[in-house]
Amino acid sequence: DAKTTQPTSMDCAEGRAANLPCNHSTISGNEYVYWYRQIHSQGPQYIIHGLKNNETNEMASLIITEDRKSSTLILPHATLRDTAVYYCIVGMDSSYKLIFGSGTRLLVRP
Amino acid sequence: EPEVTQTPSHQVTQMGQEVILRCVPISNHLYFYWYRQILGQKVEFLVSFYNNEISEKSEIFDDQFSVERPDGSNFTLKIRSTKLEDSAMYFCASSEGGQNQPQHFGDGTRLSIL
Repeated sequence: DAKTTQPTSMDCAEGRAANLPCNHSTISGNEYVYWYRQIHSQGPQYIIHGLKNNETNEMASLIITEDRKSSTLILPHATLRDTAVYYCIVGMDSSYKLIFGSGTRLLVRP
Repeated sequence: EPEVTQTPSHQVTQMGQEVILRCVPISNHLYFYWYRQILGQKVEFLVSFYNNEISEKSEIFDDQFSVERPDGSNFTLKIRSTKLEDSAMYFCASSEGGQNQPQHFGDGTRLSIL
């Protein structure tokens, strides 16, 4: 089972920041937090990952709390094309497989 | 930017027939994966492959399934005798390996069993 808890759905207005939370209270010290998204039935798209420091790339920012029990993915200026299911994934075993939960369905409104 | 490519995008097959799904992973990646997603359900791990052998497989990956890396570039998933319940999107992914290396996914093959 997935080791994360995410809201089922969220929405935000186009042009505004979208803040997607994730709880991972059982995270281990060496486990990374990964975020992926899936637009319609396309393949999951990698967004960002981090261990303990906040991370930023061209797509998003990742804020990880100091105790690492939760994180927030921030899309700074959401567009209609950001409407997707967003998955927060924690932990990989020796084969590095990903365990997907149900994710958060983000709807960006015009 | 390099990407994972999958062919065909859609495969329609009669029940009981064999099907081969093909993937070309990113060229310098060492770990290869297959996942599937039945319509409306979660993405599920099937198998991981490293150093020319299966490193892990899920309960879904029974004797009807096999994987192969027949040459230096392709990675294939074979379903020997398809069942109706094999209808799903099948995604291939690859990574350099390691906790700090993301997996990159292809756009999938939609498999429809009639």
